[in-house]
Amino acid sequence: DIQMTQSPSSLSASVGDRVTITCRASQGIRNDLGWYQQKPGKAPKRLIYAASSLQSGVPSRFSGSGSGTEFTLTISSLQPEDFATYYCLQHNSYPLTFGPGTKVDIK
Amino acid sequence: EVQLVQSGAEVKKPGESLKISCKGSGYSFTSYWIGWVRQMPGKGLEWMGIIYPGDSDTRYSPSFQGQVTISADKSISTAYLQWSSLKASDTAMYYCARGNSSSSPSDWGQGTLVTVSS
Repeated sequence: DIQMTQSPSSLSASVGDRVTITCRASQGIRNDLGWYQQKPGKAPKRLIYAASSLQSGVPSRFSGSGSGTEFTLTISSLQPEDFATYYCLQHNSYPLTFGPGTKVDIK
Repeated sequence: EVQLVQSGAEVKKPGESLKISCKGSGYSFTSYWIGWVRQMPGKGLEWMGIIYPGDSDTRYSPSFQGQVTISADKSISTAYLQWSSLKASDTAMYYCARGNSSSSPSDWGQGTLVTVSS
């Protein structure tokens, strides 16, 4: 199975900050990676697909990059509604696997 | 509009059986796989397995193989997740999601909360 790691596991940030979350795969997965945002009590919402493509309707302050084994999600200017937990998901091979998540909260 | 609508919350006792559902609409049900995801209280997302409704080809994550059964009835555009004998450790929120072979899942159900308690 492909193992996914994320760093940091949590971070505290202020509105307006630039935030970067990293996801690493235990083996190469090309660009077969999505990023998801989850708020408490809600289903996950896809932000980024194919590692760097912005989901329709998602604000442009979110961006993704990377290929192979290392990926990043960047929020260019953190907004109040962005405080949530973020997960990466690889779909290169079965079983699909999530990263453990990064919780972004208010400093 | 694509929708995945899951069945309602369940409260069960250990040892009981359960089948929860996920009904797709607004798209060709047999053209996308349906996956199931577990989220235990306060924990992260875990991929359980997927089914291709067109031919019922099913793939399970090793942690869930033999613990649950995923099935689908394409005539009513509905996928299922079932347990034959629930345990307290099955208490969790369960989500279904829609995807295809070339992309991560784009659409999710609202979740079904399963509580197993004596």
